[in-house]
Amino acid sequence: SQTIHQWPATLVQPVGSPLSLECTVEGTSNPNLYWYRQAAGRGLQLLFYSVGIGQISSEVPQNLSASRPQDRQFILSSKKLLLSDSGFYLCAWSKNRDRGLNSPLHFGNGTRLTVT
Amino acid sequence: AQSVTQLGSHVSVSEGALVLLRCNYSSSVPPYLFWYVQYPNQGLQLLLKYTTGATLVKGINGFEAEFKKSETSFHLTKPSAHMSDAAEYFCAVSDRLGSSNTGKLIFGQGTTLQVKP
Repeated sequence: SQTIHQWPATLVQPVGSPLSLECTVEGTSNPNLYWYRQAAGRGLQLLFYSVGIGQISSEVPQNLSASRPQDRQFILSSKKLLLSDSGFYLCAWSKNRDRGLNSPLHFGNGTRLTVT
Repeated sequence: AQSVTQLGSHVSVSEGALVLLRCNYSSSVPPYLFWYVQYPNQGLQLLLKYTTGATLVKGINGFEAEFKKSETSFHLTKPSAHMSDAAEYFCAVSDRLGSSNTGKLIFGQGTTLQVKP
């Protein structure tokens, strides 16, 4: 069976510090990978998605970047955090597009980021 | 463009009562629709999905949803609420209009379900 791991679970970082959140998927190959952010009372916002190694698409301009150095690894980064980067970050995977567009997303347990 | 609207950011029911969470969608192509549940400080868990075929979809934990094209709705129901159902619920539609067909989901704003004893 497939599993998705996200870490750390919680993180408190000062403004201006760097960020690295990691997500890995097990039990599947060539997944689509996603980073969502959930701010209080604002639903889920798609930040980045990736359909393959080195292929990153950004949904919204922001202070964050994403990378996919390996097939099942997805990293969310920032060089200098802003207060507005605080939120709950969720990684997700789905089967790739060749296996149909109705594949649901499977989410990790999230990272609670507080920028102080 | 595709979108999802969840009517009511908070819904409160008594234990044992009917749960009804409303979701309306907008889509120029046949939609793929999903309901997810999120417990505090956890990720989202898939409850059920509709793609094609039977319009009444049964999911986990006794939930079901009915796709009504004429009403552009996909409301989530459960006959009898349990305390453990208290959580946030998200309706989503698969983004089938993007040129890359990535299977991205567009989420509603979420509905918090409170279950009173």
